[in-house]
Amino acid sequence: GENVEQHPSTLSVQEGDSAVIKCTYSDSASNYFPWYKQELGKRPQLIIDIRSNVGEKKDQRIAVTLNKTAKHFSLHITETQPEDSAVYFCAASPSYNTDKLIFGTGTRLQVFP
Amino acid sequence: GAVVSQHPSRVICKSGTSVKIECRSLDFQATTMFWYRQFPKQSLMLMATSNEGSKATYEQGVEKDKFLINHASLTLSTLTVTSAHPEDSSFYICSARGLFGPTDTQYFGPGTRLTVL
Repeated sequence: GENVEQHPSTLSVQEGDSAVIKCTYSDSASNYFPWYKQELGKRPQLIIDIRSNVGEKKDQRIAVTLNKTAKHFSLHITETQPEDSAVYFCAASPSYNTDKLIFGTGTRLQVFP
Repeated sequence: GAVVSQHPSRVICKSGTSVKIECRSLDFQATTMFWYRQFPKQSLMLMATSNEGSKATYEQGVEKDKFLINHASLTLSTLTVTSAHPEDSSFYICSARGLFGPTDTQYFGPGTRLTVL
């Protein structure tokens, strides 16, 4: 089955710096990779996603890159702000059941002013 | 658009009682809803997939007789935790996938924090 690994588990950056979170997946036929942001005690919110037919997608300060050959995808946040502080989860949709999402273990991002 | 609600947001119950959690898609029809459990500082673990009008599909290790799921309409799914025990205390989150836009996008509810005493 699909296995998603996420690193690092915690990340602290200074406001204005960039943050990068990386995930690897095991199912080479997976084709959908969303990223969710979850603030403490709140719902996960979709911030960006990418499908296997593209290698990069940007939305303002957030970008996601996908390397299908290496089976990894990364979230890039530029010009970080304190409100970016949250837990970020990557996920992958396995080819054997595209209904499902398999989540990574999460990265706690802290942005210090 | 794509708003998902859950009720209740918090529930405290005694061991041995049953608790029902509702998940509603407010502004779209959800063909599929998902139930997740999240323990403190951990990831979201899929418990079951619920399709309208059919039986839920449970993940390995999730007891179907303990976690009863009903998806009676395109806007409502319920999760009933039967004979709850302290180890069932967790954050339960539903998500819904609609008939619009990318069919693989899941929208999450705000979660229900269950505490079993």
